[in-house]
Amino acid sequence: GAVVSQHPSRVICKSGTSVKIECRSLDFQATTMFWYRQFPKKSLMLMATSNEGSKATYEQGVEKDKFLINHASLTLSTLTVTSAHPEDSSFYICSASGTGAHEQYFGPGTRLTVT
Amino acid sequence: RKEVEQDPGPFNVPEGATVAFNCTYSNSASQSFFWYRQDCRKEPKLLMSVYSSGNEDGRFTAQLNRASQYISLLIRDSKLSDSATYLCVVNPSDDYKLSFGAGTTVTVRA
Repeated sequence: GAVVSQHPSRVICKSGTSVKIECRSLDFQATTMFWYRQFPKKSLMLMATSNEGSKATYEQGVEKDKFLINHASLTLSTLTVTSAHPEDSSFYICSASGTGAHEQYFGPGTRLTVT
Repeated sequence: RKEVEQDPGPFNVPEGATVAFNCTYSNSASQSFFWYRQDCRKEPKLLMSVYSSGNEDGRFTAQLNRASQYISLLIRDSKLSDSATYLCVVNPSDDYKLSFGAGTTVTVRA
């Protein structure tokens, strides 16, 4: 159980374009989903927390207008990187947790390269 | 000060050896603690939760020392497949956010 999928696994886009990443919980209802970014040899950095049906809560320093998060259902959250720049190139990972649970289960990640 | 700090390693050990490492956390009110494993260019996977009394899962033993605010992980009888980066993860508050250490790299050699 506790399977989380993420799509796409890898994307290359041009500077200035937007990229949408989907995160799905396949076998449980995820009341909360989290979006992280990880640079090489660094720890995961939480970008935002999203609860189904409400606006995402962004961490300090993360621009909400640049990283659009939608959590439309208990099994799907999307992250859209708008007007991507090369410095946005990173490994983006989502995670999901069920009601009352502290454990988070991670999607396989999306490696974004902006050229 | 970082919320979670770990010795980055690497710890290079032969198969069959025992390897142990710690992490420290800054928030004394932290309630939940975990070890995750992350393979190169992959997502983290939950290895085990860490309970106050310490707990064991097969060859893996986790300990929590609240007084000194550190968590440890011990791997017995290391296998080649144990080679990975081990992330110390702490829930520092009442909400469900997690704070991650940068990871301790373990390499098990034949």
